[in-house]
Amino acid sequence: DTGVSQDPRHKITKRGQNVTFRCDPISEHNRLYWYRQTLGQGPEFLTYFQNEAQLEKSRLLSDRFSAERPKGSFSTLEIQRTEQGDSAMYLCASSSGHSNSPLHFGNGTRLTVT
Amino acid sequence: KNEVEQSPQNLTAQEGEFITINCSYSVGISALHWLQQHPGGGIVSLFMLSSGKKKHGRLIATINIQEKHSSLHITASHPRDSAVYICAVSGSGTYKYIFGTGTRLKVLA
Repeated sequence: DTGVSQDPRHKITKRGQNVTFRCDPISEHNRLYWYRQTLGQGPEFLTYFQNEAQLEKSRLLSDRFSAERPKGSFSTLEIQRTEQGDSAMYLCASSSGHSNSPLHFGNGTRLTVT
Repeated sequence: KNEVEQSPQNLTAQEGEFITINCSYSVGISALHWLQQHPGGGIVSLFMLSSGKKKHGRLIATINIQEKHSSLHITASHPRDSAVYICAVSGSGTYKYIFGTGTRLKVLA
């Protein structure tokens, strides 16, 4: 068990470019979450998956954001036509789905849009 | 008003002090997490509670479901406890977690 891993750790991109982040959850975890965190704030919910099904998506997520978990294992989060306001830490977390299972977080992908 | 409120926002303590961080929430919940975040971003789950009290080492977490309130206590605080402590709740009927803005703790030697 290597924990939740996210790639890349850091991404710097120019406004208008597309970016894609990857999250590999703990292997037996069927729930996967994406959160966004800006400086001094707690994480904000973006979306979550149970296996390959995207069960909930935040109204914060504009049409420029899309997430997939095609085989119920790793997940990708894509941001199209990035804006400076998208600069944040993007966090992935997973859990096993049992009623008392804790969340396990990755170290996040820090996005800077210039 | 946020659905999850933490107090205080910032806390500075001397090594050895007993520390309490509070979390109040306004929604029905199925579970509450206390999380620790160190500079650099990594978040670690400390406790998951749905009732009562849990203890792990010098950390104690309590929850009062009727009052919609939870506390995280640190006994004999140490500089390595310096971090941001975040409360997160999972609402009833959803597995989505709502996070507080965190309490930034600094423990001085």
